[in-house]
Amino acid sequence: GAVVSQHPSRVICKSGTSVKIECRSLDFQATTMFWYRQFPKQSLMLMATSNEGSKATYEQGVEKDKFLINHASLTLSTLTVTSAHPEDSSFYICSATSQNTGELFFGEGSRLTVL
Amino acid sequence: GQQLNQSPQSMFIQEGEDVSMNCTSSSIFNTWLWYKQDPGEGPVLLIALYKAGELTSNGRLTAQFGITRKDSFLNISASIPSDVGIYFCAGQLRTDKLIFGTGTRLQVFP
Repeated sequence: GAVVSQHPSRVICKSGTSVKIECRSLDFQATTMFWYRQFPKQSLMLMATSNEGSKATYEQGVEKDKFLINHASLTLSTLTVTSAHPEDSSFYICSATSQNTGELFFGEGSRLTVL
Repeated sequence: GQQLNQSPQSMFIQEGEDVSMNCTSSSIFNTWLWYKQDPGEGPVLLIALYKAGELTSNGRLTAQFGITRKDSFLNISASIPSDVGIYFCAGQLRTDKLIFGTGTRLQVFP
């Protein structure tokens, strides 16, 4: 079946550094990708909608300068957490919509820990 | 951010028992989805519902799309230990944007 891969699956960084998380659709082209954040024991909260070749649309309360999203190709979207702080520690999950079928698939998630 | 109300928040049941959980919203959705998430992993789709009133089964799972399009329920029959996990409902708006429920944590005891 269709696969969405995230990399890295786990990352630990120092406060103040920037971290990039990749989301790739491995066997389909994705016109739209979504980024979610999930804190421990909580639900998935949509952060932004990423469309190939255009600027991402951010949800209310999500800082676009803090969470930079780039969707440079139909198979890759990246989320960069800039100047990370401990409160940014979370599980970040992407999803991608197949251009051909319209089906939605989730990645395995990336756990960010900021020390 | 917006979330859907999901209940119960957690359930502790014995293997073999049936489980029921539901999700309500103040908004109408065109599609309702039910996902299961294991620790440290992304959510996995269980059932998708596309029409108001639709009742769909997937093995031991049964879900319904409420007539008002503002609610949905998920039933699991004859639970087994591997059913343990967190179950999320999600309402889908236009452009595939998903709004997730607050989650139901299921624990199954042998």
